[in-house]
Amino acid sequence: GDSVTQTEGLVTLTEGLPVMLNCTYQSTYSPFLFWYVQHLNEAPKLLLKSFTDNKRPEHQGFHATLHKSSSSFHLQKSSAQLSDSALYYCALSGQGTGSKLSFGKGAKLTVSP
Amino acid sequence: AQTIHQWPVAEIKAVGSPLSLGCTIKGKSSPNLYWYWQATGGTLQQLFYSITVGQVESVVQLNLSASRPKDDQFILSTEKLLLSHSGFYLCAWSPASYEQYFGPGTRLTVL
Repeated sequence: GDSVTQTEGLVTLTEGLPVMLNCTYQSTYSPFLFWYVQHLNEAPKLLLKSFTDNKRPEHQGFHATLHKSSSSFHLQKSSAQLSDSALYYCALSGQGTGSKLSFGKGAKLTVSP
Repeated sequence: AQTIHQWPVAEIKAVGSPLSLGCTIKGKSSPNLYWYWQATGGTLQQLFYSITVGQVESVVQLNLSASRPKDDQFILSTEKLLLSHSGFYLCAWSPASYEQYFGPGTRLTVL
């Protein structure tokens, strides 16, 4: 079945350093990949979505590129900000209407001054 | 623009008591709707989804049930709560392009 493996647990960075959260997936077809961000006591929000035409999605300084050859969709940002501290989930969409989103276990990013 | 509303915002309930959580979406006709559960410190687990009124598919039941009585409404319920039901319940909707957008959530504490 479909599955997502991502950077898990606690990730601690100093402000200004680059962010890299890994995400790899297994699927028998070409799925859509997503990154969601969840701040403390809030609902998850869609951060990025993969495109089918090799465009690189960007939002709030974050970007990710879907590499089908390596089944990866890593999240990157050149310079971490204090406000980036949150939970980050990689997710994969199944095929068909109403299909399941499979989430990774999440990475808690903490950015310190 | 679409808006998604969940009620109540938070609940404290006793073990064995019934529960009903609601979700309403405005500004989108015939959305796909989803229920998720998130344990404290845990990941997101999809529970149910619905692509049309009256039809609900179960992904993981956890002794819960769901119904879609109206096009814009999705209800999650149980007749008897367990301690393990505590957590954050999220409703989400999806347009045709597979991404899902979450409501603000309901925080449930079962004592």
